Amino acid sequence: DSGVTQTPKHLITATGQRVTLRCSPRSGDLSVYWYQQSLDQGLQFLIQYYNGEERAKGNILERFSAQQFPDLHSELNLSSLELGDSALYFCASSVRDRGQETQYFGPGTRLLVL
Amino acid sequence: AQTVTQSQPEMSVQEAETVTLSCTYDTSENNYYLFWYKQPPSRQMILVIRQEAYKQQNATENRFSVNFQKAAKSFSLKISDSQLGDTAMYFCAFETSGSRLTFGEGTQLTVNP
Repeated sequence: DSGVTQTPKHLITATGQRVTLRCSPRSGDLSVYWYQQSLDQGLQFLIQYYNGEERAKGNILERFSAQQFPDLHSELNLSSLELGDSALYFCASSVRDRGQETQYFGPGTRLLVL
Repeated sequence: AQTVTQSQPEMSVQEAETVTLSCTYDTSENNYYLFWYKQPPSRQMILVIRQEAYKQQNATENRFSVNFQKAAKSFSLKISDSQLGDTAMYFCAFETSGSRLTFGEGTQLTVNP
């Protein structure tokens, strides 16, 4: 158990809908990262938050947005869903250990868009 | 931009034997970190081992060790005494401090009894 929690574990929805994925980082971790794992794109970085502020953006679509709240949990919002958005979405949080940031991953949310 | 390449899509090994997974990367950075993550059938991403680029000594974690060749930009993972529970997809990943992970395509390892 990495200490990072994600809900829900599974999500099935229809095209055009909007969903929210939730992540709680490990206690004390200030950074939260979101990744998407799909069959055709592999593991891709979407976005990073640090202590409530956006720090870096990757291959995140304009239909997707995220935020990190004062209690450090984060939410990833996916809207106008398309079939191609079906994927495993991971949240990771990082801890500095021996001078190095190490990312620990949550169990992921499996999204299926029908 | 950093890239990570894993040239072996699939590998197999007999239980108790040793196997080496390959990874190469490309970067212009001098300070960075390298990781191997394991993804078993449960799809959980599990950290296996990490290596700081400024350290010459290769990292070791129990049966897992790396061969880090900075000049060649190579970072291979050696698994000794392979166990059935080592069956998983293995991802090599690159990171500069406090930033995103860039992953390779993965190597599916199967340990046969």
